[in-house]
Amino acid sequence: KAGVTQTPRYLIKTRGQQVTLSCSPISGHRSVSWYQQTPGQGLQFLFEYFSETQRNKGNFPGRFSGRQFSNSRSEMNVSTLELGDSALYLCASSASSGTGGGYEQYFGPGTRLTVT
Amino acid sequence: QKEVEQDPGPLSVPEGAIVSLNCTYSNSAFQYFMWYRQYSRKGPELLMYTYSSGNKEDGRFTAQVDKSSKYISLFIRDSQPSDSATYLCAMSARSGGYNKLIFGAGTRLAVHP
Repeated sequence: KAGVTQTPRYLIKTRGQQVTLSCSPISGHRSVSWYQQTPGQGLQFLFEYFSETQRNKGNFPGRFSGRQFSNSRSEMNVSTLELGDSALYLCASSASSGTGGGYEQYFGPGTRLTVT
Repeated sequence: QKEVEQDPGPLSVPEGAIVSLNCTYSNSAFQYFMWYRQYSRKGPELLMYTYSSGNKEDGRFTAQVDKSSKYISLFIRDSQPSDSATYLCAMSARSGGYNKLIFGAGTRLAVHP
């Protein structure tokens, strides 16, 4: 079974621009979560999408948004980029199949975003 | 105070040693506990997961959860140089959404030949 894929792998943007990152989950997984990883803050939860609906959200400003398509693929968008948005953005998928099971999350390789 | 505390290390051990990695947490609602391994410039790789309390073993890895002490551990037996990586604990609660993982800071492990 293929793992989680993310595109692009590397991205360089300028302050004020916007960026869209893409994630394809493991086949059959309906939940996609996004995380930001920085040396100072570690891994922080951005949001989760399940069946095309945002089910959960972390403490990030509204510049960070996302969506999920009917095939479970997800995109994340960051508008008006700031220098502090430079990070590794990770996508994770899970089956999310029910209480007590199916919530193990599998991560993709990440997109490394550099804002200059 | 962070919800999940993890000593960042670095931890340096000789090949063949038993490694003990630990995390403490403050939220008693956490029910799902995971351990990830992350190599430099790669995404985290799921090693072990446990729902609720107890022990779980998979090859050289053993995960333990002590909910009464709010303490989880990962043991690595017969450590190898290829185990050199950052180990992250993560946990979630039903109330926050099982898929909203709260991570520890990660412990850097170096296994030297």
